[in-house]
Amino acid sequence: EDQVTQSPEALRLQEGESSSLNCSYTVSGLRGLFWYRQDPGKGPEFLFTLYSAGEEKEKERLKATLTKKESFLHITAPKPEDSATYLCAVQPGASGGSYIPTFGRGTSLIVHP
Amino acid sequence: NAGVTQTPKFQVLKTGQSMTLQCAQDMNHEYMSWYRQDPGMGLRLIHYSVGAGITDQGEVPNGYNVSRSTTEDFPLRLLSAAPSQTSVYFCASSLGQGPYEQYFGPGTRLTVT
Repeated sequence: EDQVTQSPEALRLQEGESSSLNCSYTVSGLRGLFWYRQDPGKGPEFLFTLYSAGEEKEKERLKATLTKKESFLHITAPKPEDSATYLCAVQPGASGGSYIPTFGRGTSLIVHP
Repeated sequence: NAGVTQTPKFQVLKTGQSMTLQCAQDMNHEYMSWYRQDPGMGLRLIHYSVGAGITDQGEVPNGYNVSRSTTEDFPLRLLSAAPSQTSVYFCASSLGQGPYEQYFGPGTRLTVT
């Protein structure tokens, strides 16, 4: 069974204080690992897709990395507008199974000014 | 482009009532899905569709029906509402089964009393 565990559940940072969010996963043949941002009362918004170990992607203050067992979302010098819940999802390679993605429970990030 | 739209935004039902949550997308996406999101839990897949006329069950399909008569629309039907179906429901679409990022609607907050 595919599993995704995100840590920490909640993270409070001061503006400018860099940190990392973790997404640990077990999956049958990874097709893709996705990061989404979700603001309160809204639907998730896509951030990144990572396909293979060693891959990195960046967008503004965010950088996502991938190993064979986990992914990190690094936030450099965060601002209050980065406050949101960050979701991780993995899509299996469907060796005899399905391509249904599994989502983690998310990390709630609050950045104080 | 409106992206993924959902109606209604809020709904209160009595136990035993039925209703349909509407979902539409204007991106010509083949893959559409319905998730529910409950506090402390990740997004859980209810049903999905890989194209018009094709639907399949996700992780938590009991109590819900779907159909996909057009590429654009993917309604979710609650047959006989139960308090356990109180949740926030998200519709999502993507180019295909993947690995493609999903585009989410704004959600429907459903309360069953």
